[in-house]
Amino acid sequence: DTAVSQTPKYLVTQMGNDKSIKCEQNLGHDTMYWYKQDSKKFLKIMFSYNNKELIINETVPNRFSPKSPDKAHLNLHINSLELGDSAVYFCASSRTGTGGRSGNTIYFGEGSWLTVV
Amino acid sequence: DAKTTQPNSMESNEEEPVHLPCNHSTISGTDYIHWYRQLPSQGPEYVIHGLTSNVNNRMASLAIAEDRKSSTLILHRATLRDAAVYYCILREDSGGGADGLTFGKGTHLIIQP
Repeated sequence: DTAVSQTPKYLVTQMGNDKSIKCEQNLGHDTMYWYKQDSKKFLKIMFSYNNKELIINETVPNRFSPKSPDKAHLNLHINSLELGDSAVYFCASSRTGTGGRSGNTIYFGEGSWLTVV
Repeated sequence: DAKTTQPNSMESNEEEPVHLPCNHSTISGTDYIHWYRQLPSQGPEYVIHGLTSNVNNRMASLAIAEDRKSSTLILHRATLRDAAVYYCILREDSGGGADGLTFGKGTHLIIQP
């Protein structure tokens, strides 16, 4: 069973379109994340979310929005797609807890390759 | 999260030990040292973490300097499958909340057959 699954794995779309990437985790975690990995391979956190708070990386344009229908899902909606949005997007999850102490291992999905043309 | 410094790349031979260094001179007392790796075309995966004492698990060992300003990830017998980007990350024991990971550039480990 895949712990963190994302769909679609590949997405090619035109500039200006609105698209969503879905994410589901079956680990019983209550915190989920979205990361973006650009062409230079830098991994940057976009959002982290649990039932108490949404933390948004201030550099993320407001065209990006996370939507969580329940604890097991955190979908990423992107409006008015731009060429610079082309990247690999990773969903992840973990238990909310004591930060670094227990490890609070963060589990990542396999990524969604978004190409905007 | 405090900053870490790692070599951009390292090369090793298959079935030999690999020592991946990480400097974190500004580490605070509540920062844990975590290592993740990212295999080609996959998401990052957890490797190991520690605070002060050396740690071992089935994947690797983590050696932490006495002053905690540096650490070394040790792969005892590298295989081709260990070729990946290895990230050394400091995570504060924040006491809760939706904290994530702040990734640096990592070390690109190349394994020669």
